[in-house]
Amino acid sequence: EAQVTQNPRYLITVTGKKLTVTCSQNMNHEYMSWYRQDPGLGLRQIYYSMNVEVTDKGDVPEGYKVSRKEKRNFPLILESPSPNQTSLYFCASTPEGGTNNEQFFGPGTRLTVL
Amino acid sequence: GESVGLHLPTLSVQEGDNSIINCAYSNSASDYFIWYKQESGKGPQFIIDIRSNMDKRQGQRVTVLLNKTVKHLSLQIAATQPGDSAVYFCAEKDSGYSTLTFGKGTMLLVSP
Repeated sequence: EAQVTQNPRYLITVTGKKLTVTCSQNMNHEYMSWYRQDPGLGLRQIYYSMNVEVTDKGDVPEGYKVSRKEKRNFPLILESPSPNQTSLYFCASTPEGGTNNEQFFGPGTRLTVL
Repeated sequence: GESVGLHLPTLSVQEGDNSIINCAYSNSASDYFIWYKQESGKGPQFIIDIRSNMDKRQGQRVTVLLNKTVKHLSLQIAATQPGDSAVYFCAEKDSGYSTLTFGKGTMLLVSP
């Protein structure tokens, strides 16, 4: 089944404790991205990647890192999480570099930083 | 999930009615638009898209209308069903960029 998977789905952590949210897609898509979704603010892009070893900042990259060492995986790294990073996170992938094609979203990761 | 719906404009309709969800965009350089549906606890799901060289596109029970003059996009859902209850987002893409910009969403509530 073609899909985008994220792990973990739910995470509660404390301020400053490094964490990684994994994202994997099995559709051989080139373009992947991370969003956070907050009430009243909608979906905001954190980082995106056009292809392996190519990553760029989105609208709200502060406090986050990503890597794209292989095509299928695009982990989101929070080196020192803070409470304002409590949010619902979505990974998405798109074929053909993200141009004029639908994005396939993962199921989401709900993160709480205490 | 459940907290996504807070602070959103809400459209309440009866089962069987037609629903119209509106979206205003601000970037006149946007050339591609998508509507997404997000059910509680799930990620956004593609519904329908439209390019800027079109003003109307139809899918199964859904129609998207694009008015570039006033930068307005709408999603029409025919014979709305309880399963259509969700948050609906529009998204736009600038021709010069690869990223999508999402609207804040509208919650559609369908009562039987």
